[in-house]
Amino acid sequence: EVQLVESGGDLVQPGGSLRLSCAASGFSVGTNYLAWVRQAPGKGLEWVSIIYSGDTGATYYAGSVKGRFTISRHNSKNTLYLQMNRLGTEDTALYYCARVQRGKNYYYALDFWGQGTTVTVSS
Amino acid sequence: EIVLTQSPATLSLSPGEGATLSCRASQSVGISLAWYQHRPGQAPRLLVYDATNRATGIPARFSGSGSGTDFTLTISTLEPEDFAIYYCQEPSFSFGQGTKLEIK
Repeated sequence: EVQLVESGGDLVQPGGSLRLSCAASGFSVGTNYLAWVRQAPGKGLEWVSIIYSGDTGATYYAGSVKGRFTISRHNSKNTLYLQMNRLGTEDTALYYCARVQRGKNYYYALDFWGQGTTVTVSS
Repeated sequence: EIVLTQSPATLSLSPGEGATLSCRASQSVGISLAWYQHRPGQAPRLLVYDATNRATGIPARFSGSGSGTDFTLTISTLEPEDFAIYYCQEPSFSFGQGTKLEIK
């Protein structure tokens, strides 16, 4: 059974850092595309970052987090990470990790999601 | 950047009725469009990918249609558990703003 379990969310001051983890089971993080998606209070879903499978593991970021957030994975721990630096109040959200499924032409559909972990940025 | 616009913002219907949700893309995405259901307190759930393909375990009352810039998610007969927020999404990971399906 495929499962994703996020952890690491916390209350942090503006300018601070946090690392989120997403423990996967039922599949290998090294051979799948994985993504982080967030939902700010009262708002819709916003894609944050994606990491491709394989040795190259290309990474991409939303403009709002580029240069501040880093996505990575640890294959032997079967875990996905999101390192978040220089946090601002606009980063307050519920953060989900998700597995990316390939459609006919692209990897984009998020077929399994975790329950999310809450990040609150406030002084 | 592709912008997805969903309509209506809110749809008020009763169980047993049918629902039609729309998603319009600012430029063509071909068939590469997904739909998700998001219930409060739960993880989002993939319903449809590539415009028309139901994801694993999704009931047949959910169907997707469209291509290019105009897409539709149809729920043939609403069950109580279908009242939720629905999002569309395209391959550069833009999401629509969501349609809230509420009980009338």
